[in-house]
Amino acid sequence: DTGVSQDPRHKITKRGQNVTFRCDPISEHNRLYWYRQTLGQGPEFLTYFQNEAQLEKSRLLSDRFSAERPKGSFSTLEIQRTEQGDSAMYLCASSSPPGTQETQYFGPGTRLLVL
Amino acid sequence: QQQVKQSPQSLIVQKGGIPIINCAYENTAFDYFPWYQQFPGKGPALLIAIRPDVSEKKEGRFTISFNKSAKQFSLHIMDSQPGDSATYFCAAKQAGTYKYIFGTGTRLKVLA
Repeated sequence: DTGVSQDPRHKITKRGQNVTFRCDPISEHNRLYWYRQTLGQGPEFLTYFQNEAQLEKSRLLSDRFSAERPKGSFSTLEIQRTEQGDSAMYLCASSSPPGTQETQYFGPGTRLLVL
Repeated sequence: QQQVKQSPQSLIVQKGGIPIINCAYENTAFDYFPWYQQFPGKGPALLIAIRPDVSEKKEGRFTISFNKSAKQFSLHIMDSQPGDSATYFCAAKQAGTYKYIFGTGTRLKVLA
């Protein structure tokens, strides 16, 4: 395991469809984050998991967005009834267990285009 | 308001130059300030980070200067190389949380 992986890398969908993205963090990392990044902007925090518990959630995460991390390992981010404004890069990151230096390792992202 | 303002938006330097990227924040409840480097099509990668009890940190060619009273911090890249051409983001973590606020990014181009 050499890093955070995300699948798919690219997704094109029609407005109104549901999409689901997967993130596999670095295996020993218990913290997992989702971010959204639009062109020319920095990543925007969406949500944070410690193990399987979703501890923080941004107001950006509307009721159409849901994230899970059922066994404290991989995570999924689902967007229901996609809108054109959802087009962005969705980034996942993971970090080390408590007590160690906080370093977030980012995956390559899933680029979503909503037509 | 929780915000991190980053400048400049873009920067061009000659090889060997020292680009400086600045960030300013308003929320005093930030407790960790990382800098990330991002290449096209890739996720951001941590370069260097600092906590507010330290005024400067150096790792290799990268240095962070931190001014707590002015609520500003900056990244200096010594002896810049064409391979350093990328987008750089500053960020700040809210104390007591794991929520990070990112700046809007600086696109750096180092000319050969």
